Amino acid sequence: AQSVTQLDSQVPVFEEAPVELRCNYSSSVSVYLFWYVQYPNQGLQLLLKYLSGSTLVKGINGFEAEFNKSQTSFHLRKPSVHISDTAEYFCAVRNLGGSYIPTFGRGTSLIVHP
Amino acid sequence: GAVVSQHPSRVICKSGTSVKIECRSLDFQATTMFWYRQFPKQSLMLMATSNEGSKATYEQGVEKDKFLINHASLTLSTLTVTSAHPEDSSFYICSARVQGENYGYTFGSGTRLTVV
Repeated sequence: AQSVTQLDSQVPVFEEAPVELRCNYSSSVSVYLFWYVQYPNQGLQLLLKYLSGSTLVKGINGFEAEFNKSQTSFHLRKPSVHISDTAEYFCAVRNLGGSYIPTFGRGTSLIVHP
Repeated sequence: GAVVSQHPSRVICKSGTSVKIECRSLDFQATTMFWYRQFPKQSLMLMATSNEGSKATYEQGVEKDKFLINHASLTLSTLTVTSAHPEDSSFYICSARVQGENYGYTFGSGTRLTVV
């Protein structure tokens, strides 16, 4: 079975500052990794995903994430945040083969202050 | 890209009544859809997986008689909350697995259900 840990439930940051949202996973097999963003009262939107290849993945809205197999991490970063980035961010993992149902972390609330 | 349309976005109903939530895949065929429930400030809890033309698979602890799922076509899955109670108030989200798109999943916009 796989699991996802998002250590930070809330991350406050000032506008134009860099941000990192942490995600660690646990799995006995190789995985696919995803980051989703959820704005209030909306569904989830895919930010980026890692399937294979380059460990640095670039996504939409200026976000990127780096897959670190040895540390079983997939942290999300943005060099300069905007007010509009205020939202809930979910990390998700899915095992290669087997069940294709992703497991979600509990989410990190990114709060960007002016 | 693949889009899932979920309706209604908000619904208020009286205790004891039933509410139906629809999810439609607009530009692709969704053989598999997932139904999630989300409590405030919490992650998504998978309720069930629906496959077109067959019975849904419910997660442990989810009452299949209360949360009826129908996936009668490749573009439509419905979740009916039967005999709703205030504790069923929640945010419900559907998701579809998008085949041929690098194992992506696309989500509906969610339904805020309030039972009074």
